[in-house]
Amino acid sequence: QQQVKQSPQSLIVQKGGISIINCAYENTAFDYFPWYQQFPGKGPALLIAIRPDVSEKKEGRFTISFNKSAKQFSLHIMDSQPGDSATYFCAARRGSTAGNKLTFGGGTRVLVKP
Amino acid sequence: DGGITQSPKYLFRKEGQNVTLSCEQNLNHDAMYWYRQDPGQGLRLIYYSQIVNDFQKGDIAEGYSVSREKKESFPLTVTSAQKNPTAFYLCASSIRDPDREHFGDGTRLSIL
Repeated sequence: QQQVKQSPQSLIVQKGGISIINCAYENTAFDYFPWYQQFPGKGPALLIAIRPDVSEKKEGRFTISFNKSAKQFSLHIMDSQPGDSATYFCAARRGSTAGNKLTFGGGTRVLVKP
Repeated sequence: DGGITQSPKYLFRKEGQNVTLSCEQNLNHDAMYWYRQDPGQGLRLIYYSQIVNDFQKGDIAEGYSVSREKKESFPLTVTSAQKNPTAFYLCASSIRDPDREHFGDGTRLSIL
């Protein structure tokens, strides 16, 4: 059972454009929602994260929007650059009583064309 | 520099053979995790350990085994019972109540 659904699987955006990736979850016990960035042959690295008591978080060109009632959250990459070309994963964490385990979405491969 | 070291980067297994993937961290993290990554399926949790000498099964533990004898080390054995072992394996660690998991750079396992 996939508890975190991520879309689209891939997207192509022109340099300077906006990349938008969406995730939806089912389990209301999730208490932390990070986004990871992964380059080929490397492990994922934490990009930005949000907790459910906040509706939006911005760090530089990256923004998370969170809709608790809809159980959805999204990543916006503003002014996309070729160096942003990577695979992005959303995730959701169950709390300490469930081992702080992360459940990942299926990933989105982003290609930024110069 | 602190971090997570996975070795080897590439590993080949013959049919019916067990192989062990190494994961070492010098971040002084309590918790360690093993994930499997397949194309289009994201990361799936195999095993995790929150303290030394204790570990729990994740979502896809069948055909895998782990040990946690030292805080710094969390090796994963892919046994012959794992019928589809070809994948990218990622090790991660975090503090006990984490705000982030730190990942290694993975081991790619292939079947000869």
